[in-house]
Amino acid sequence: DAGVIQSPRHEVTEMGQEVTLRCKPISGHNSLFWYRQTMMRGLELLIYFNNNVPIDDSGMPEDRFSAKMPNASFSTLKIQPSEPRDSAVYFCASSLGVFQTYFGPGTRLTVT
Amino acid sequence: KQEVTQIPAALSVPEGENLVLNCSFTDSAIYNLQWFRQDPGKGLTSLLLIQSSQREQTSGRLNASLDKSSGRSTLYIAASQPGDSATYLCAVDYGQNFVFGPGTRLSVLP
Repeated sequence: DAGVIQSPRHEVTEMGQEVTLRCKPISGHNSLFWYRQTMMRGLELLIYFNNNVPIDDSGMPEDRFSAKMPNASFSTLKIQPSEPRDSAVYFCASSLGVFQTYFGPGTRLTVT
Repeated sequence: KQEVTQIPAALSVPEGENLVLNCSFTDSAIYNLQWFRQDPGKGLTSLLLIQSSQREQTSGRLNASLDKSSGRSTLYIAASQPGDSATYLCAVDYGQNFVFGPGTRLSVLP
């Protein structure tokens, strides 16, 4: 298996633009997580899906952030409009039940 | 190819013991290295981050060292407790991407 796949790997955009991050979880996994990592705040869980249904989105910072999982093999995290303080590394991870969680390589977002 | 390995894969120790977890990476051109803790059914918790220019970082009973030239990092846990039982992951930031190790599953027995 190729592992968790994220795209793009790097994104540089201007403030106010819409940003869409994509994730393909490991086939067969039923849980998907979106994390954000910054030097200031460390690693934060943004949202957690189970069987394509959002279970906990309490970590989503504000209404500018939205996440979807239309099927078991694809998820998106959208920021609209983007702001400089959204600059971070965004990780997607997947797992099967309570077993080990596998992380993607991350998307490094820079908002200027 | 950038690879991260961790040994041992699993470790079981009695409470109170000091222990060392090992992480090796093939490409020494790193930005930083992080140690994470993963609890069953939960997400990751970042424990320590070592910048490429640093040799070690300490937080409480945890101490992480970094030797870029040899491609190694160690996580030292002093006076282990049952609450330390978890999987410990090493992750290397290469700027272009993060590469995670497979983890060491630690059990601390009371």
